[in-house]
Amino acid sequence: KAGVTQTPRYLIKTRGQQVTLSCSPISGHRSVSWYQQTPGQGLQFLFEYFSETQRNKGNFPGRFSGRQFSNSRSEMNVSTLELGDSALYLCASSHGTSLTDTQYFGPGTRLTVL
Amino acid sequence: EDQVTQSPEALRLQEGESSSLNCSYTVSGLRGLFWYRQDPGKGPEFLFTLYSAGEEKEKERLKATLTKKESFLHITAPKPEDSATYLCAVRTGGTSYGKLTFGQGTILTVHP
Repeated sequence: KAGVTQTPRYLIKTRGQQVTLSCSPISGHRSVSWYQQTPGQGLQFLFEYFSETQRNKGNFPGRFSGRQFSNSRSEMNVSTLELGDSALYLCASSHGTSLTDTQYFGPGTRLTVL
Repeated sequence: EDQVTQSPEALRLQEGESSSLNCSYTVSGLRGLFWYRQDPGKGPEFLFTLYSAGEEKEKERLKATLTKKESFLHITAPKPEDSATYLCAVRTGGTSYGKLTFGQGTILTVHP
């Protein structure tokens, strides 16, 4: 079974630009969660989508948004980029039908904001 | 607010020198405690899920245990390839769909 895939793997943007990251979950998984990982804050939860609906959201500004498509693929968008948005962005997929589901992570997208 | 604290922040071992990593948590309504391994530049790789106090799981040189306040990841006779950052995360009840709360991780280095 193919794992979680994320594209692109690396991105370099400048302040004020916007960016869209993509995540394809494991086949059969309907839940996609997004996380931001930085050396100072570690892994922090951004939001979760299940069957095209956002079910949960972390404490991030409205510049961070996402969506999920009918095939469970998900995208996240960051508008008006700031230097502090430089991070590894990880998505994780799971069945999403139980609070005890295991999440499986993709390789991440490394975003650098100059 | 859910809190997860891992210790030590970094651990250096000689090959074959067994040790333990600690993950202490303060949460309301634990639904699961997860251990992941993360290599530099890669996404976390799932290791174990523990659901209730007293539960233990093993995989090769790793053994995870859970009490009501903490979890331990025991590494027996580690090898250099076990070098990685080990992350602990919790899932709680309520409206925590899709959300794992992570500790800061323990960076493990195993010298040959």
